[in-house]
Amino acid sequence: DAKTTQPTSMDCAEGRAANLPCNHSTISGNEYVYWYRQIHSQGPQYIIHGLKNNETNEMASLIITEDRKSSTLILPHATLRDTAVYYCIVSLFAGTASKLTFGTGTRLQVTL
Amino acid sequence: GAVVSQHPSWVICKSGTSVKIECRSLDFQATTMFWYRQFPKQSLMLMATSNEGSKATYEQGVEKDKFLINHASLTLSTLTVTSAHPEDSSFYICSADRGLTTGELFFGEGSRLTVL
Repeated sequence: DAKTTQPTSMDCAEGRAANLPCNHSTISGNEYVYWYRQIHSQGPQYIIHGLKNNETNEMASLIITEDRKSSTLILPHATLRDTAVYYCIVSLFAGTASKLTFGTGTRLQVTL
Repeated sequence: GAVVSQHPSWVICKSGTSVKIECRSLDFQATTMFWYRQFPKQSLMLMATSNEGSKATYEQGVEKDKFLINHASLTLSTLTVTSAHPEDSSFYICSADRGLTTGELFFGEGSRLTVL
């Protein structure tokens, strides 16, 4: 699986958009970009994933650059409950269970 | 949404004893489950892939005789830490594959093991 690079930490004011970048310059054509988050002392939670196109769901938006070498997760209106470690993961989905390899992630702190 | 439950949530044991952690998929069947461990302020490290009815596949560097994994049914996988030592103290997390076309995995709440 391709390696990802994320900033160690970021701060965001409550109510503002949180934009979390991820670099995956060695991604291959059939690898997906997944985002998970982990709130302190809990198991990770799926947020969103994409292959080439931008994606949006009720939690977030995922913007993938045209060359697919980087992406940005956008939380449109961050709340205190969004404080967590956010993991960007690149994984080959082969139709069966995808083995996810977690990097160090970005620790997002949402403040009042 | 899909629910994966772990038990116990936390456990304290004496050095040299064995501890079993259960991972259950409550509302779906999971052919494949994964076990991770996480040390404080570190990321999750994949330990093994557990497939129902067959032997688990361990990641490089993980001792299969120390971390016994059993996936006896489509809703239950167990991790047994044998002859636990203080360095085995960690947060153990399982995840289950629901078989969605997205490849999304569902994670348990984690089990915190402290070995005295």
